Amino acid sequence: EAGVAQSPRYKIIEKRQSVAFWCNPISGHATLYWYQQILGQGPKLLIQFQNNGVVDDSQLPKDRFSAERLKGVDSTLKIQPAKLEDSAVYLCASSFRVGVGEQYFGPGTRLTVT
Amino acid sequence: SQQGEEDPQALSIQEGENATMNCSYKTSINNLQWYRQNSGRGLVHLILIRSNEREKHSGRLRVTLDTSKKSSSLLITASRAADTASYFCATGGNSGYSTLTFGKGTMLLVSP
Repeated sequence: EAGVAQSPRYKIIEKRQSVAFWCNPISGHATLYWYQQILGQGPKLLIQFQNNGVVDDSQLPKDRFSAERLKGVDSTLKIQPAKLEDSAVYLCASSFRVGVGEQYFGPGTRLTVT
Repeated sequence: SQQGEEDPQALSIQEGENATMNCSYKTSINNLQWYRQNSGRGLVHLILIRSNEREKHSGRLRVTLDTSKKSSSLLITASRAADTASYFCATGGNSGYSTLTFGKGTMLLVSP
């Protein structure tokens, strides 16, 4: 089966610019996650969707980050405006259902903010 | 905040040796998972152990869980150069929509 797809793989922007990331989860997976992984740290959950509804966005910096999952399939994560500290790898993951079992991760998007 | 904390932060061994990594956590959990991350394959799930289980095996991997001590260990036997990667433990809580909380990871280097 096809894995989790993400694009772009790399992005370099200047601070105060905006950027968007796209994720296509594994077919049939109801739950989708966006993580931020800063160099040398483990992934930190930003937002979790169950179908097209938000389950947990407690760690999403809502003043600059937004995410949506239209039709319960693809998802986009946007940062506007970007700050230097947003430089990280943004990982998308999906799972068959929430709360139980393993998560399948995409290759990630490496964002550099200069 | 990150609940799991792996120990050691870095581990360097020779091929054929065993590698042991530990994870400690703070609050009650429903399950604990181990993931591996390397540049070639990204973040990959290795094994899941539920809170009512004490030990689990998968190939060369052995995971133990001690809920009374809030700790887990991952043992990789007969390590190979291809096992070189960062290993993360991730804890799943008890609520219905529980998320995973990852630790900072252990970086394992296996030399030929």
